Amino acid sequence: SQELEQSPQSLIVQEGKNLTINCTSSKTLYGLYWYKQKYGEGLIFLMMLQKGGEEKSHEKITAKLDEKKQQSSLHITASQPSHAGIYLCGAVLTGGGNKLTFGTGTQLKVEL
Amino acid sequence: GAGVSQSPSNKVTEKGKDVELRCDPISGHTALYWYRQSLGQGLEFLIYFQGNSAPDKSGLPSDRFSAERTGGSVSTLTIQRTQQEDSAVYLCASSLVGGTRGTRGDTQYFGPGTRLTVL
Repeated sequence: SQELEQSPQSLIVQEGKNLTINCTSSKTLYGLYWYKQKYGEGLIFLMMLQKGGEEKSHEKITAKLDEKKQQSSLHITASQPSHAGIYLCGAVLTGGGNKLTFGTGTQLKVEL
Repeated sequence: GAGVSQSPSNKVTEKGKDVELRCDPISGHTALYWYRQSLGQGLEFLIYFQGNSAPDKSGLPSDRFSAERTGGSVSTLTIQRTQQEDSAVYLCASSLVGGTRGTRGDTQYFGPGTRLTVL
């Protein structure tokens, strides 16, 4: 089974709508990273969360970490076509050394 | 400054041939990682280099895969006797320090990847 579960797998929203993507770990987290990927390109770093309750924002994207639940959420406010892509959460997990374990990704499409 | 660069961006090869993929990390980053991204498997860790320490090779799928990092900078991932299941995007990442879980210096910055197709 996946150590990092992301939901939903895909999402289609209308421009201007808000949306949330979740990432849940089955193991203790040592750091939770959010990346965005466009087809055929590398991963673009968005945010890193380390402490329980931590919340970070960049432009219209906010990420939170619930350490107790071993869960993070990524929230986009007033979505725009530029937000379209694949969102990946990655985490350093117990027993995983320093590598990042990734979720399966959430594909976001924003319709005009 | 310049980000992580990888070459080639695309590589098409015939089954059984050897391939070399190159990664240039961000200058000053001591940690370097290789990952593989394929449709069926998502993003998988392959190997991790940190300074002069022995690399963590725990993610390499078979002994056909090897990697080296010369002079603590550039890294080459070599796949020998390629198979069709090796077709994937190979991503390289670097981080400032590595070795300390979940700290700010550990943020991994990714290159654009090399898309490998084995015919």
